[in-house]
Amino acid sequence: DSGVTQTPKHLITATGQRVTLRCSPRSGDLSVYWYQQSLDQGLQFLIQYYNGEERAKGNILERFSAQQFPDLHSELNLSSLELGDSALYFCASSSSAGSDTGELFFGEGSRLTVL
Amino acid sequence: DQQVKQNSPSLSVQEGRISILNCDYTNSMFDYFLWYKKYPAEGPTFLISISSIKDKNEDGRFTVFLNKSAKHLSLHIVPSQPGDSAVYFCAASPWNSGNTPLVFGKGTRLSVIA
Repeated sequence: DSGVTQTPKHLITATGQRVTLRCSPRSGDLSVYWYQQSLDQGLQFLIQYYNGEERAKGNILERFSAQQFPDLHSELNLSSLELGDSALYFCASSSSAGSDTGELFFGEGSRLTVL
Repeated sequence: DQQVKQNSPSLSVQEGRISILNCDYTNSMFDYFLWYKKYPAEGPTFLISISSIKDKNEDGRFTVFLNKSAKHLSLHIVPSQPGDSAVYFCAASPWNSGNTPLVFGKGTRLSVIA
């Protein structure tokens, strides 16, 4: 158990819809990262928050947005969903602002299926 | 443009033998490298890391080798065990990168056959 909690574990929805994925980081971790893993793809970095502020942005679509709340949990909002958005979405946390220690702690992921 | 490449999608090894997983990178700014292991229905977990000041790091059955001139690293598992069957991701970052998160490869699925 990494200590990172993601909900929901599975989600099935239709094209054009909007969903919200939630992540609670490990106790004491200030950084939250969101990664997307599509079929046959590696972990693609989407966005990072540190203590409530956006720290780094990766290949995140404009239809996607995220935030980190004062209690440090984070939400990833995916809107106007397309078939290609079907993927595993991982949240990870670390204690530092950057990945200078290298180690990220991952949740079990949220599997999104868009039909 | 894939900055971290794992060119073998899968690898099959007999129990007790050595498993060698390879990873290449293109960004010369990378100087800290990690391997993560992922079982089905679980998130990736950290396995072992190496910084560019070293060419080898060992942790029990797991050893990572780094060849900076070739921009290549490898993970050796000796002896391989059935419980090692998982997907292995190579990841890289500039050391003390501040705001630069880890860049991952696509992963290699290792199957250790009893």
